[in-house]
Amino acid sequence: QVQLQESGPGLVKPSETLSLTCSVFDGSISSYYWSWIRQPPGKGLEWIGYIYYRGNTNYNPSLSSRVTISVDTSKNQFSLKLNSVTAADTAVYFCARDAGVLRFLGYMDVWGKGTTVTVSS
Amino acid sequence: EIVLTQSPGTLSLSPGERATLSCRATQSVSSSYLAWYQQKPGQAPRLLMYATSNRATGIPDRFSGSGSGTDFTLTISRLEPEDFAVYYCQQYGNSPGSLTFGGGTKVEIK
Repeated sequence: QVQLQESGPGLVKPSETLSLTCSVFDGSISSYYWSWIRQPPGKGLEWIGYIYYRGNTNYNPSLSSRVTISVDTSKNQFSLKLNSVTAADTAVYFCARDAGVLRFLGYMDVWGKGTTVTVSS
Repeated sequence: EIVLTQSPGTLSLSPGERATLSCRATQSVSSSYLAWYQQKPGQAPRLLMYATSNRATGIPDRFSGSGSGTDFTLTISRLEPEDFAVYYCQQYGNSPGSLTFGGGTKVEIK
C-alpha cells in the first residue's frame, strides 16, 4: 500500500519561502497526479495545486502567483514552494495522490499524515 | 470558481440515527467529479465516496451518496460511534485550478 510522508521546516518567517517535500513509499510516483492541500487551524481544506509525474502543473488561482510544485522522479518525491508567506499561510499541509492512473480523476485516495507549518517571526 | 456550501454546519445525532449531509454548488458539477471525505481530529482526510455515489475501498455500505447538478447528498444510514467526524465534499471542474472543497459538516454525538 503506497504511503506518503511530508517533510520540511515547521517554522517559517514572514516574507520567506515555505518549502515542503512529499516522499512516496511502497509505490511509484510515475503514472499519477500529486496534490498539495492545506488546512489552517480549525478551518477547512484548501487545494493548493497538483503536478503530474511528467511535470505538468495546475494551481489554485488564489495562490498561483506564489506557488511552485515540482517533481523528482529519481527520488520518488514531489515538492511545494510557497513564497512571501504570511501568518495566513499557517496550516497543516497534506500531500495526496489523485486516484487516476495516467489520467486526472479529481479525487484523492491516498493522503500523507500532514505536517504543521507555522509562519511567525 | 465553483463554491461548495455544506449544510448543516453541525449535525447532532445519536448512534443508530440517520445522517443526511448536503453539499450545494454555485454552478453545475459533473457527477463524475464530486467526492466526499471524512476527517477525524488530528488525522488526514479519508476518501469516502467518489463520482457522487461510488464507495471508496473499505467504506461500509451504510454510507451512500446521491445527487446531480448543483445538489449532492451524503447519507449515513445508521451512525456508528466511529462515524462521528467532519465530512467534506469536493469537486473538480474542467477549468484550470478548479478544485474546491466545501466548508465541512461536523457530525457530533448528541
